[in-house]
Amino acid sequence: DAGVTQSPTHLIKTRGQHVTLRCSPISGHKSVSWYQQVLGQGPQFIFQYYEKEERGRGNFPDRFSARQFPNYSSELNVNALLLGDSALYLCASSFGGRGPLYEQYFGPGTRLTVT
Amino acid sequence: QQQVKQSPQSLIVQKGGISIINCAYENTAFDYFPWYQQFPGKGPALLIAIRPDVSEKKEGRFTISFNKSAKQFSLHIMDSQPGDSATYFCAAGSGNTGKLIFGQGTTLQVKP
Repeated sequence: DAGVTQSPTHLIKTRGQHVTLRCSPISGHKSVSWYQQVLGQGPQFIFQYYEKEERGRGNFPDRFSARQFPNYSSELNVNALLLGDSALYLCASSFGGRGPLYEQYFGPGTRLTVT
Repeated sequence: QQQVKQSPQSLIVQKGGISIINCAYENTAFDYFPWYQQFPGKGPALLIAIRPDVSEKKEGRFTISFNKSAKQFSLHIMDSQPGDSATYFCAAGSGNTGKLIFGQGTTLQVKP
């Protein structure tokens, strides 16, 4: 079975530009979460979507937005890029959005560099 | 209250030894505690997870020990191998939110 897939693998953008990152969850999974991982740190939660609805939002500015499509794939959008947005963006897939036993499986990530 | 504190920051172990990584949390609403392994350039891979109603869970060479009263949990890697060299993250989550809070990570090096 295919795992979580993310595209693109790497991306270089200039300050002020906009970026769209894409994620396809594991087949059968209905929830997608997005995390930002800065070099040398643990992942930081950005959003969770379940059945196309936002279920959680982390402490990130409004420049960050996301959506989930009917096929459960998801997009993360970041506007007005800053140098500090340079990071590995991770997508995690889980079967359900809530429940004590749900497990999140991460994709390989998209490495975003802002110059 | 949302933090998860992980230690040590780095760890060097001889092949065949036991690697131990510790985490502590404050929020008693957390009810799910996974450990992830991450190799350079890759996404985190789920290793093992535990709920607070059990004190220990073992899967192969990996064991989680959980102390609910102390709000601490740890990962033990038995018979550590060079292939275990990676960064390990503990995390905590609440079933009500689906959000995982990660520790800062521990870089493990297993020497041959």
